[in-house]
Amino acid sequence: DGGITQSPKYLFRKEGQNVTLSCEQNLNHDAMYWYRQDPGQGLRLIYYSQIVNDFQKGDIAEGYSVSREKKESFPLTVTSAQKNPTAFYLCASSKTGLGNQPQHFGDGTRLSIL
Amino acid sequence: QKEVEQDPGPLSVPEGAIVSLNCTYSNSAFQYFMWYRQYSRKGPELLMYTYSSGNKEDGRFTAQVDKSSKYISLFIRDSQPSDSATYLCAMRGANFGNEKLTFGTGTRLTIIP
Repeated sequence: DGGITQSPKYLFRKEGQNVTLSCEQNLNHDAMYWYRQDPGQGLRLIYYSQIVNDFQKGDIAEGYSVSREKKESFPLTVTSAQKNPTAFYLCASSKTGLGNQPQHFGDGTRLSIL
Repeated sequence: QKEVEQDPGPLSVPEGAIVSLNCTYSNSAFQYFMWYRQYSRKGPELLMYTYSSGNKEDGRFTAQVDKSSKYISLFIRDSQPSDSATYLCAMRGANFGNEKLTFGTGTRLTIIP
């Protein structure tokens, strides 16, 4: 089945530690996105990539980093510089980055602080 | 003021009732409108995707856009317990890329058997 796989489902971070969230898609989509979801707030864009080897900052990129070395993979690293990392992280993809292509989501990773 | 406003609920209705979920927005440039359903501890699932004004129907779901009032609605007919979830609206301008999607905060819906 085609879809977006995020792993792990749950992740715990210690103080001063970097952690990496995995996102893999087999939909042959060019564009991929990372969002953060907090209670009472809409989804906020962290980073996006419209094509392999290229990515752009979203609205809340500080304390995060990404890479896009393969079309199907878009990992997100939450660095120790992100002071409030506890949230539900969602990865999405769309066929292209054009505005008429809907985004489809994975099932998320919940990150908590130890 | 947020660009997209959505009543967080919670909204509880009896099984079989018609459900109406709504979002208002302030940006008149928004042209693409989406509704997502999100079950607890899962990612959002695209339900409806409409362009500009008018209605779109898919099974028990109807999406309605009123651009003059800056108001969109999702109607669920013959509601089922499996419809219990959080519903997110999302929208974007026609001249923007897909990264400019703006989401509502979501309405939590419970269908009571």
